[in-house]
Amino acid sequence: NAGVTQTPKFQVLKTGQSMTLQCAQDMNHEYMSWYRQDPGMGLRLIHYSVGAGITDQGEVPNGYNVSRSTTEDFPLRLLSAAPSQTSVYFCASRGVAGIRAGETQYFGPGTRLLVL
Amino acid sequence: KNQVEQSPQSLIILEGKNCTLQCNYTVSPFSNLRWYKQDTGRGPVSLTIMTFSENTKSNGRYTATLDADTKQSSLHITASQLSDSASYICVVSLPSGGSYIPTFGRGTSLIVHP
Repeated sequence: NAGVTQTPKFQVLKTGQSMTLQCAQDMNHEYMSWYRQDPGMGLRLIHYSVGAGITDQGEVPNGYNVSRSTTEDFPLRLLSAAPSQTSVYFCASRGVAGIRAGETQYFGPGTRLLVL
Repeated sequence: KNQVEQSPQSLIILEGKNCTLQCNYTVSPFSNLRWYKQDTGRGPVSLTIMTFSENTKSNGRYTATLDADTKQSSLHITASQLSDSASYICVVSLPSGGSYIPTFGRGTSLIVHP
């Protein structure tokens, strides 16, 4: 299994441009999520999905859209990039969406985004 | 205010020594408490997962403890190795609907010197 994969690894955008960060997992996991990691701060949840067709907002959803048309894929869209969205973005997945405490969460390698 | 506070912010130890990292939280009630290891430039990797009813969990040389009464957790690393150099992140998850929402600490940066 490849686990959780993310593309691209690096991206430079100009303010106002849009782009999609790709995330895929091959473990048939129900739950997928997106985080951003900024210097001096903990990871923050952007959006999450508990299954195909179901998404919800996390702590910092503004400026981002998501969709979950398949179990495997969970893309993150930046509608109009801003310098404040410069960050490292991580996608993660775990097997079961419910409150089962023992589920291991797997993270992708991250996408480093710079918005000029 | 971050509801998960980790200390120290950074730590330097010699190879072979033991160390303990601390995590204090105010999130309550919580579904589970997790410790992750994050190598530079990589995604976090799960080390331990504990529910509120568990007070210790081990994974090789890593042992996590939890005191739900004082809302404190610690991660003890035994016989440190150079490869233990990384950021260690404490995460407390709140139940939310049918799932749970994680709150991440800022991490402790550990450097192991030969």
